[in-house]
Amino acid sequence: DIQMTQSPSSLSASVGDRVTITCRASQDINNFLAWFQQKPGKAPKSLIYAASTLQSGVPSKFSGSGSGTDFTLTITNLQPEDFATYYCQHFGSYPLTFGGGTKVEIK
Amino acid sequence: EVRLVESGGDLVQPGGSLRVSCVASGFTFSDHYMDWVRQAPGKGLEWVGRVRDKANNYTTEYAASVKGRFTISRDDLKNSLFLQLNSLKTEDTAVYYCTRGGRQTRSGYIYGFDSWGQGTLVTVSS
Repeated sequence: DIQMTQSPSSLSASVGDRVTITCRASQDINNFLAWFQQKPGKAPKSLIYAASTLQSGVPSKFSGSGSGTDFTLTITNLQPEDFATYYCQHFGSYPLTFGGGTKVEIK
Repeated sequence: EVRLVESGGDLVQPGGSLRVSCVASGFTFSDHYMDWVRQAPGKGLEWVGRVRDKANNYTTEYAASVKGRFTISRDDLKNSLFLQLNSLKTEDTAVYYCTRGGRQTRSGYIYGFDSWGQGTLVTVSS
């Protein structure tokens, strides 16, 4: 199975900051990588798929990059509604697997 | 508007069984693969499994942790997705989400996971 490792597991940031979250796959997954945002008590929300394609309706402050084994999610101009937990997911082979999550907290 | 509504979560004893359901609306259900994802209390997301569409013979895929114990099925006439949970273990305690999977088109596979239900809680405890 492909393991997805996110770092950091948590981070503190201020409103207006730019943050970057990293996701590493245990083997080459091409660009079969997605990112999700989850707020407490809510279902996850899809942000990005195919490493860098924004889902419909997702603001351009979210961006993704990478290919192969190393990927990043960048959030610019952090706003109160962006404080949440973010997960990466690979979807190129079975079983699909998620990273452990990165909790973005207010500094 | 795409809508997914799960139901059927309950408290079950270890070794017991349960069936949870998801009713879909607002899109052509039969065109899409459908997935189940779960989240144990205070933990991360875990993909449970997938059922493909009729064109792909409703074939299924499962995570190793549930293979042989859980069964995913669908009823396209009723726009419904099901998850049969057997031989339940305490570690199966989680919120179970149904999510709209991708779909195959002439141009290729279109990624899904863009719509999720609110989740249904399955608690396995004696």
